[in-house]
Amino acid sequence: DVKVTQSSRYLVKRTGEKVFLECVQDMDHENMFWYRQDPGLGLRLIYFSYDVKMKEKGDIPEGYSVSREKKERFSLILESASTNQTSMYLCASSFWQNTEAFFGQGTRLTVV
Amino acid sequence: SQKIEQNSEALNIQEGKTATLTCNYTNYSPAYLQWYRQDPGRGPVFLLLIRENEKEKRKERLKVTFDTTLKQSLFHITASQPADSATYLCALYTGRRALTFGSGTRLQVQP
Repeated sequence: DVKVTQSSRYLVKRTGEKVFLECVQDMDHENMFWYRQDPGLGLRLIYFSYDVKMKEKGDIPEGYSVSREKKERFSLILESASTNQTSMYLCASSFWQNTEAFFGQGTRLTVV
Repeated sequence: SQKIEQNSEALNIQEGKTATLTCNYTNYSPAYLQWYRQDPGRGPVFLLLIRENEKEKRKERLKVTFDTTLKQSLFHITASQPADSATYLCALYTGRRALTFGSGTRLQVQP
């Protein structure tokens, strides 16, 4: 079974902190994604990557950056956490375009 | 811009009935459309993928239709059970290499 693992289920950080959310997949997938999910807004794409060291902005990249140094790992970085970044963050991977995505269990981040 | 619409109101049905969820999209002609299930506090789980040249696809009690003229997909769960209660999301690739999701419809199956 494909496994996508996010480093934390719950995280509490202070405003202004630099936050790292880590995601690892074990199926040699080309594509990896970061979404955030908020009530009433659904899943919104932050960034995605289709190859090592490649990244593309999604719909809401402001305040975030990403890193993909190895194929299996995709990190989301909040440069200076703010309270409006309190959300559920979901990492996903897929083998190629038009194939299904596999999601991690999610990280519920609270910024205080 | 690409828009994917799902009924934001929860759907409440009795056990044993067929649940039908709707996904409408605009401004794009996807070759594929996908459906996911999401339980509270968990990541979405893939259910079905349907191609534009497939009018209908089935998997056990699930059935998906895809009408590219109407720009609509219908998702059916027959003989519904309380364990089917969850949020169901439709998703498609909108010309970039990442899925765009609808906001989902919450299904509640009453025993």
